[in-house]
Amino acid sequence: GAVVSQHPSWVICKSGTSVKIECRSLDFQATTMFWYRQFPKQSLMLMATSNEGSKATYEQGVEKDKFLINHASLTLSTLTVTSAHPEDSSFYICSASPGTADTGELFFGEGSRLTVL
Amino acid sequence: GQQVMQIPQYQHVQEGEDFTTYCNSSTTLSNIQWYKQRPGGHPVFLIQLVKSGEVKKQKRLTFQFGEAKKNSSLHITATQTTDVGTYFCAGRGAGSYQLTFGKGTKLSVIP
Repeated sequence: GAVVSQHPSWVICKSGTSVKIECRSLDFQATTMFWYRQFPKQSLMLMATSNEGSKATYEQGVEKDKFLINHASLTLSTLTVTSAHPEDSSFYICSASPGTADTGELFFGEGSRLTVL
Repeated sequence: GQQVMQIPQYQHVQEGEDFTTYCNSSTTLSNIQWYKQRPGGHPVFLIQLVKSGEVKKQKRLTFQFGEAKKNSSLHITATQTTDVGTYFCAGRGAGSYQLTFGKGTKLSVIP
């Protein structure tokens, strides 16, 4: 199946610093990528939809100035957690689909576990 | 907005017993997908159901999509320890590309 790579897998940072997470579709082009946050033992919470060449669409309650999303190419989307605080510690996962926008299965990245000290 | 409810939240079964998880949507879906997430891993696509009343099988797994396209189920026959993980359903509303995930059912299998 299609491959979505996410980097880094783990990151530990100090409070107040910014952290960038990359999501790449390795063998297909994705005009749309999705970013999720997953708390321990909980479901995937959609944070935003990343659109290549345009602004991301954020879900209600997600601060767009806090979680900066850039989708500069058809194979790369980045999520930057700005001025991270301990409450931002979480598992962040991206996904993309090589199929049509309304029927394609999603392929997930491996996830990035962020710990803010 | 669209809501997808999934039950049960947790299920502990003895190896060899059957397991079922259920999903209900507040609105009619164009399709529903199922994913499995192993502990410490990321969700992996299992299957997609599109047609009303559709039933699909993958070895010991049986997936159903309700006639009204508002509910779905995943049934595992004779569970094995390799079935351990969290199973998520994800529904897509008509004309939408966005998937709404259920909260997942965490399956534990006791050897």
